[in-house]
Amino acid sequence: DAKTTQPPSMDCAEGRAANLPCNHSTISGNEYVYWYRQIHSQGPQYIIHGLKNNETNEMASLIITEDRKSSTLILPHATLRDTAVYYCIVIGTNAGKSTFGDGTTLTVKP
Amino acid sequence: DVKVTQSSRYLVKRTGEKVFLECVQDMDHENMFWYRQDPGLGLRLIYFSYDVKMKEKGDIPEGYSVSREKKERFSLILESASTNQTSMYLCASSSAQGSQETQYFGPGTRLLVL
Repeated sequence: DAKTTQPPSMDCAEGRAANLPCNHSTISGNEYVYWYRQIHSQGPQYIIHGLKNNETNEMASLIITEDRKSSTLILPHATLRDTAVYYCIVIGTNAGKSTFGDGTTLTVKP
Repeated sequence: DVKVTQSSRYLVKRTGEKVFLECVQDMDHENMFWYRQDPGLGLRLIYFSYDVKMKEKGDIPEGYSVSREKKERFSLILESASTNQTSMYLCASSSAQGSQETQYFGPGTRLLVL
């Protein structure tokens, strides 16, 4: 499975959009981009995933570039409770082959 | 909602003890996983299972074993706990349908080995 690269940390003002980037330049055609987040001392929580089209759900939007080498997770109106570590991972068809890196620590400030 | 539960949130054991960490999921998922999480190292896969009585090694299986006797339950066993196994242990499950694999995680178990 492809590896991903994320910035180690980002800040965002409360109420503003948080845009979290992820590079996955070695992604292959059948691999999905997944986003999870982990609030301190809890297990990771699924946010959203996509293959090549942009996706939106009640939590966030996922924008995937046309060449699929990068993506951006958008939290449209960040709140203090969105402070967490956000993981971008690429998953193919093999169970257990997803790798969580260090993620991006997002701090939402009042 | 998918629910993944882990037997303990916090556990303190002594070096050499045999430790059992239990994980139960209620969504009839085929796949189950055990990870450990350490500062600066992210989540590392220890073992996973894609069916009852089936298991596969992950990236760091040494010092661990697993058991999957029933579909809903996946146990992680530390045969002889050591201090370097002090960590946060996370269990996850996922459905094997199609090519998508959303993993649902439990709350984690913080294990301290003295």
